[in-house]
Amino acid sequence: EIVLTQSPGTLSLSPGERATLSCRASQSVSDSYLAWYQQKPGQAPRLLIYGASSRATGIPDRFSGSGSGTDFTLTISRLEPEDFAVYYCQQYGSSPPWTFGQGTKVEIK
Amino acid sequence: EVQLVESGGGLVQPGGSLRLSCAVSGITFSSYSMNWVRQAPGKGLEWISYISSSSSTIYYADSVKGRFTISRDNAKSSLYLQMNTLRDEDTAVYYCARVHRAAADPWGQGTLVTVSS
Repeated sequence: EIVLTQSPGTLSLSPGERATLSCRASQSVSDSYLAWYQQKPGQAPRLLIYGASSRATGIPDRFSGSGSGTDFTLTISRLEPEDFAVYYCQQYGSSPPWTFGQGTKVEIK
Repeated sequence: EVQLVESGGGLVQPGGSLRLSCAVSGITFSSYSMNWVRQAPGKGLEWISYISSSSSTIYYADSVKGRFTISRDNAKSSLYLQMNTLRDEDTAVYYCARVHRAAADPWGQGTLVTVSS
């Protein structure tokens, strides 16, 4: 089973600042099948990034994903008020289980 | 617009059973694989089951294997999760999600399952 470790656990930032979230895998994620999701309180998760770096439909370009192998990053270039939420990475490797990271909370400083 | 609507959650005693449904609209349901993902109160996301478009391939997380059964009815554009021998630790919001571009997108709004005596 591939274990995903997200860091930091909580990120305290102000609107307009840049957010950098990390997701590290215990073994290489095949074909960069790594996705990022945003979840707000009381809502279902929403896909932001798939294939490590491709933005999902309707996702603003301030969200970007990068990385390969075992190290992946989600960057929010300038935080908007609606971006304060919990972010999860998930790997979709060649065989299950398709694990999630434990999440990073981006909170208002 | 793609819509996924879960139903069937509720309060059940330990050892009991429950069947969740996920009604899908806005897409050709029979063309897509589907997932069930759950989230315990205040916790993170846990993938629990996958079914391919034709039901030929099915996977389960170890935590539910042997107790939960995923199925689908392509004629009804519906996904199901039969949950047996429920435990306290199965208490969670259960989401269905389409598998698209090797990710889960979109997700339903979730249905809460509470296992308690």
